[in-house]
Amino acid sequence: DAMVIQNPRYQVTQFGKPVTLSCSQTLNHNVMYWYQQKSSQAPKLLFHYYDKDFNNEADTPDNFQSRRPNTSFCFLDIRSPGLGDAAMYLCATSKGSVFLNSYEQYFGPGTRLTVT
Amino acid sequence: ELKVEQNPLFLSMQEGKNYTIYCNYSTTSDRLYWYRQDPGKSLESLFVLLSNGAVKQEGRLMASLDTKARLSTLHITAAVHDLSATYFCAVDKSKDMRFGAGTRLTVKP
Repeated sequence: DAMVIQNPRYQVTQFGKPVTLSCSQTLNHNVMYWYQQKSSQAPKLLFHYYDKDFNNEADTPDNFQSRRPNTSFCFLDIRSPGLGDAAMYLCATSKGSVFLNSYEQYFGPGTRLTVT
Repeated sequence: ELKVEQNPLFLSMQEGKNYTIYCNYSTTSDRLYWYRQDPGKSLESLFVLLSNGAVKQEGRLMASLDTKARLSTLHITAAVHDLSATYFCAVDKSKDMRFGAGTRLTVKP
């Protein structure tokens, strides 16, 4: 059963045209992460939510925004995609509870974004 | 700033051989992770190491953590072709996740 679901799996957008990627989870995890992974590079953390608490990485461009309307869903909005934003976008979740000692991250299958 | 260095970046090995991948990080961390990624696929969690001296094993892979040396190792025993993939270590400091550059492992018959 899918635990972290990302839609769409492939997204093509035009330069400058806003695009939204979605992530949903059935694990009831507290923490949701968005990563950007460019070809042959390591994943780079863009931001994460601990419940509703939003945490933005210092070097994440303002062009990237995120929303988490409830525990299950998280969205990545790219307001004006540039050619350099073409990448795989990975969503991940973790329990995030210190007491349960559960830090393992569960990744979704990713959305591959192409900018034309 | 939290930095993670992984080596080697490329590793070609023969089936049946042993090898170790190294992961160094720059500051004290909360947790260390190892992931596997197949081409065009997402990341699969292999190990989460929480404390100094932690050792975890799954099949032909064994990971260890030395927090004093700020070093983690991923040891591969008697490699098989199915282990061919890219392996990432990542370090978590107050949920600031930083990944190493990855080790692209190719196991040849």
